[in-house]
Amino acid sequence: DAGVIQSPRHEVTEMGQEVTLRCKPISGHDYLFWYRQTMMRGLELLIYFNNNVPIDDSGMPEDRFSAKMPNASFSTLKIQPSEPRDSAVYFCASSSTTGDEQYFGPGTRLTVT
Amino acid sequence: QKEVEQDPGPLSVPEGAIVSLNCTYSNSAFQYFMWYRQYSRKGPELLMYTYSSGNKEDGRFTAQVDKSSKYISLFIRDSQPSDSATYLCAMKDWDNDMRFGAGTRLTVKP
Repeated sequence: DAGVIQSPRHEVTEMGQEVTLRCKPISGHDYLFWYRQTMMRGLELLIYFNNNVPIDDSGMPEDRFSAKMPNASFSTLKIQPSEPRDSAVYFCASSSTTGDEQYFGPGTRLTVT
Repeated sequence: QKEVEQDPGPLSVPEGAIVSLNCTYSNSAFQYFMWYRQYSRKGPELLMYTYSSGNKEDGRFTAQVDKSSKYISLFIRDSQPSDSATYLCAMKDWDNDMRFGAGTRLTVKP
């Protein structure tokens, strides 16, 4: 298996622009997680899905952030409009039925200028 | 007070040394405990996963959980330069809201 795939790997955008991050989980995994990692706040859970259904989005910082999972093999995290404080590395992770052992993708490094 | 406390280091040791990494936590509901290794500009990689108190060994790595003290540890024996990375502890209760420590940056010098 190729593991969790994320795209793009790097994104540089200007403040106010829409940003869309993409994730393909490991085939057969039922859970998908979106995290954000910064030096100041470490690794934070934003939202997670079970069988394509959002279960807990309490970590989503603001209404500017939204996430979707239209099918078992694809998820997006969208930021609209983006702000400089959104600059971070965004990770997607997936896990099997238990949701315990999570496998992370390589991350998307987002810079908002 | 953060739910999970982890000394960010940095920690520098000579090759072959025994490394001890630790985390404390405040939420007694946490039941599952994990250690992740993260190389620079990479995603975290699951190293160890344990559910109960006690020790779990996997090669050169030993994870230790003391629920009564709310304290977990990761020991690395015969440390190698390739072990140089940031190590994050993580824990969760019965749902899937994982809480991570800040990570400890480890350097093993040849």
